[in-house]
Amino acid sequence: DTAVSQTPKYLVTQMGNDKSIKCEQNLGHDTMYWYKQDSKKFLKIMFSYNNKELIINETVPNRFSPKSPDKAHLNLHINSLELGDSAVYFCASSHDGLAGGYNEQFFGPGTRLTVL
Amino acid sequence: DAKTTQPNSMESNEEEPVHLPCNHSTISGTDYIHWYRQLPSQGPEYVIHGLTSNVNNRMASLAIAEDRKSSTLILHRATLRDAAVYYCILRDSWGYGQNFVFGPGTRLSVLP
Repeated sequence: DTAVSQTPKYLVTQMGNDKSIKCEQNLGHDTMYWYKQDSKKFLKIMFSYNNKELIINETVPNRFSPKSPDKAHLNLHINSLELGDSAVYFCASSHDGLAGGYNEQFFGPGTRLTVL
Repeated sequence: DAKTTQPNSMESNEEEPVHLPCNHSTISGTDYIHWYRQLPSQGPEYVIHGLTSNVNNRMASLAIAEDRKSSTLILHRATLRDAAVYYCILRDSWGYGQNFVFGPGTRLSVLP
């Protein structure tokens, strides 16, 4: 069984469209994350949810809206897609809790988004 | 989050040991040292982490300096499959949803 899965793996769309990326983890973790890896390969945190509550919201345009229907899912919805949104988006999860910062993160395989 | 510095790239021959250095001179007492690696076209994967003592697991060893201002990831026998970007990251042990701050990492090439 895949620990952290994302769908779709590839997403090609036109500028201005709205799209969603789904993420699911079957590890029983309480914290989930979205990262963006741009063409220069820098991996940057976007959002973090702990027990369905938003914990980290880095400087990300409000066109990006995460949604966590339950602890096992964290979806990313993007409105009015722009060329600069083209990147690989990674979902991750970990078991944190208040003193769990030492715990490892498990990453999904990534979703390659191409905006034309 | 405290920052880390790593060499941009390193090269190794197959089946030889590899020592990947990381400097973190501003590390705090509650920061764990994590290492992740990213193989081509894959998500990052956990390698090892430690706080003060050296650590070993099936993938690698982590040697932490006594003052904790630097650490070294040791791959005992590099294989072609170990060619990846290796990230050294500090993460505070307290607080919910602590994020990992990924730097550019070290790109390791393994020569046959």
